[in-house]
Amino acid sequence: ARSVTQLGSHVSVSEGALVLLRCNYSSSVPPYLFWYVQYPNQGLQLLLKYTTGATLVKGINGFEAEFKKSETSFHLTKPSAHMSDAAEYFCAVIPNSGGYQKVTFGTGTKLQVIP
Amino acid sequence: GAVVSQHPSRVICKSGTSVKIECRSLDFQATTMFWYRQFPKQSLMLMATSNEGSKATYEQGVEKDKFLINHASLTLSTLTVTSAHPEDSSFYICSARDYGSLYNEQFFGPGTRLTVL
Repeated sequence: ARSVTQLGSHVSVSEGALVLLRCNYSSSVPPYLFWYVQYPNQGLQLLLKYTTGATLVKGINGFEAEFKKSETSFHLTKPSAHMSDAAEYFCAVIPNSGGYQKVTFGTGTKLQVIP
Repeated sequence: GAVVSQHPSRVICKSGTSVKIECRSLDFQATTMFWYRQFPKQSLMLMATSNEGSKATYEQGVEKDKFLINHASLTLSTLTVTSAHPEDSSFYICSARDYGSLYNEQFFGPGTRLTVL
């Protein structure tokens, strides 16, 4: 079973509308959680991460995500979408089980922003 | 934040030739670097883990003789695609693990677009 799941390979929102990209993980011990953004023909840029502490994490470009252990979720949100937010977004996890662990990426969600 | 560079950003080569891609950590030492492959409209697939001064560890299904990895220093890893064929055309992304990172965080390079004719 995949350790990280992103619901919706494509999401379309109107400019100025709320952005909600979903990510769920499947491990008994909450992993370290990351959201990355990828623009066409570019590498991955870290938006935000949750490792420990406050469950609401604020990132760059106005994005934030909330870690909810009870729901095993780490959904990414932004109150008001901007045209420049159109990109591919990847949720990723690293197991929090000591030692070195590999990163596992979700399948990605392509965000389209409609003017 | 930590910066990882890749060179070249884009390369076109003829079938049968070899192509080398460099991955550098610019402002930190990376004992471990990773090579990913990304097919169009898909997620990243880990190809191999590169450790400085030792042999790379390849993921299942990745041909180590085709994708040669060398991690000769704490700031440089190279991926050589040998005898490239059109099916090797893809977007290759490297990442580097900051030795000082507490959470095994990886920093990603900008990627290299390989097109094999």
